[in-house]
Amino acid sequence: SQTIHQWPATLVQPVGSPLSLECTVEGTSNPNLYWYRQAAGRGLQLLFYSVGIGQISSEVPQNLSASRPQDRQFILSSKKLLLSDSGFYLCAWSATLNTGELFFGEGSRLTVL
Amino acid sequence: QKEVEQNSGPLSVPEGAIASLNCTYSDRGSQSFFWYRQYSGKSPELIMSIYSNGDKEDGRFTAQLNKASQYVSLLIRDSQPSDSATYLCAYRGSQGNLIFGKGTKLSVKP
Repeated sequence: SQTIHQWPATLVQPVGSPLSLECTVEGTSNPNLYWYRQAAGRGLQLLFYSVGIGQISSEVPQNLSASRPQDRQFILSSKKLLLSDSGFYLCAWSATLNTGELFFGEGSRLTVL
Repeated sequence: QKEVEQNSGPLSVPEGAIASLNCTYSDRGSQSFFWYRQYSGKSPELIMSIYSNGDKEDGRFTAQLNKASQYVSLLIRDSQPSDSATYLCAYRGSQGNLIFGKGTKLSVKP
């Protein structure tokens, strides 16, 4: 069966520090991968999605970036965090781009101070 | 702006009752609809997917879709305290991503 993991689960970072969140999927090949953010009182916001290695689409211009160095690995990064980057970051995968369900990892809760 | 609208709640129902959660969406081209359950501090968990007009039942859950009215709902029969969570409605956008509502918080009282 397929599983998705992301880490770290929780982190507290100062403003201006870098960020790296990692996500891996097991049990499937060539998944579509997504990064969402859920801020307090707001809905889930799509940040990036990827249909293959090295292919990244950005939905929202911001100081975050994403990379997909391997088929089942998706990384969210920032060079300098802002207070507004605080939130619950969720990695997700789907088997196909236009049909089928989306499955989420456990989430990474980021607090920027 | 393509959106999903949900009543934020909280919706409070007694244990054993039917909980009715509603969602409207603005994109008439949407073909795929989903309900997720999210416990506090946890990630969303898929409950139901529905693609055709009508009802789809899975255990205590029934999803209802009316594309003409751009309306999708989730009924939870015999509600249990463990059903207390936030329920997110979503549809699949043109780029394959899911577009989510802000969720309805459900509280089932023993």
